[in-house]
Amino acid sequence: GAVVSQHPSRVICKSGTSVKIECRSLDFQATTMFWYRQFPKQSLMLMATSNEGSKATYEQGVEKDKFLINHASLTLSTLTVTSAHPEDSSFYICSASPQQGFNYGYTFGSGTRLTVV
Amino acid sequence: KQEVTQIPAALSVPEGENLVLNCSFTDSAIYNLQWFRQDPGKGLTSLLLIQSSQREQTSGRLNASLDKSSGRSTLYIAASQPGDSATYLCAVRYQGGSEKLVFGKGTKLTVNP
Repeated sequence: GAVVSQHPSRVICKSGTSVKIECRSLDFQATTMFWYRQFPKQSLMLMATSNEGSKATYEQGVEKDKFLINHASLTLSTLTVTSAHPEDSSFYICSASPQQGFNYGYTFGSGTRLTVV
Repeated sequence: KQEVTQIPAALSVPEGENLVLNCSFTDSAIYNLQWFRQDPGKGLTSLLLIQSSQREQTSGRLNASLDKSSGRSTLYIAASQPGDSATYLCAVRYQGGSEKLVFGKGTKLTVNP
């Protein structure tokens, strides 16, 4: 079945540094990938839609200069948290659909726990 | 506003019991609804996907129903096991041109041996 791989699973970084998270579709091509953020005991909130070969679409309230998204190939999207601060600590998770169209479900990565100290 | 609500927020049952998790959504114009399972600190595992034209989907001990007109879906788990303990998330793909999913806050299920 469709597999989405996310790396790293956990990362601890110092305040002010940048962190890159990778999301790969292993057995399918994904022109669109999605990045979510999840706070403790809260649901997933969509941050941005990553489009292969073009600029990402950010949800309202999400700083695009803070959360840089690059979707350079049909199997890889990256999220870079720039100049990270403790309030950026969260669980980040990506998803993609193996088929295009409105009738298909989504596969999610295993998530990345970011801790900024 | 397109929202998804899940009730209850937490549920604790003894092993072997049948149970129902509820999900409601505010707009009946949907493409599909998807149930996920999330273990602590982990990603989401897709359980069932119901298209807007379908009434239910089944997979093993799981059965999901969809009543689009009333804006409700249920996830029925038969003969619950301790391994079923997890947070169950309901997500709706609303019509309107966007591909994104709108998630509920989830129901945290604990099945006690």
